[in-house]
Amino acid sequence: EDQVTQSPEALRLQEGESSSLNCSYTVSGLRGLFWYRQDPGKGPEFLFTLYSAGEEKEKERLKATLTKKESFLHITAPKPEDSATYLCAVQAGSGGYNKLIFGAGTRLAVHP
Amino acid sequence: EPEVTQTPSHQVTQMGQEVILRCVPISNHLYFYWYRQILGQKVEFLVSFYNNEISEKSEIFDDQFSVERPDGSNFTLKIRSTKLEDSAMYFCASSEEGQGGDTQYFGPGTRLTVL
Repeated sequence: EDQVTQSPEALRLQEGESSSLNCSYTVSGLRGLFWYRQDPGKGPEFLFTLYSAGEEKEKERLKATLTKKESFLHITAPKPEDSATYLCAVQAGSGGYNKLIFGAGTRLAVHP
Repeated sequence: EPEVTQTPSHQVTQMGQEVILRCVPISNHLYFYWYRQILGQKVEFLVSFYNNEISEKSEIFDDQFSVERPDGSNFTLKIRSTKLEDSAMYFCASSEEGQGGDTQYFGPGTRLTVL
């Protein structure tokens, strides 16, 4: 069965304190791995798509990387406005052509 | 920047009543989706829709659910006889092509409360 596990469940950082969020996955035939940001009571906001091991994408203070079994979202010098839940999702070759399988997310709190 | 919109933002209904949740996908997108998120839980796939028919559905999407594209812009989710456990945030999403790795863009959600 395709699975996505995110860790840690929650992370508290001081402003400027860099860290990484982990997304490990078990799927049959990865078609894409997606990172989204979700603010309370809002819909997921797209951040990155990664397709193959070794790929990296960057946007402002965020950098996403992908290996054959996991992805990391690195946050460099975070600011309080980076506080949100970060969701990882995969599209797999088996059991569904388009559907996204989400992890439970990491709740990030950045304090000044 | 184009975005997915959803109405209403909050719907309160009595158990057993029918509700229709509405979505306007991004205009040049061809694939449409509904997901739901029960409070404190993961986002879960319900259904995908392409070319006026369901292309995939989950076990959650049983006979009480239906989807429709009634015109060129709207995409709806109908729940025929709501249950308490249907209370959740419902998200509509759309993608350009639906191929593997195609990015899905989500709307702001409709919070459904069943009393």
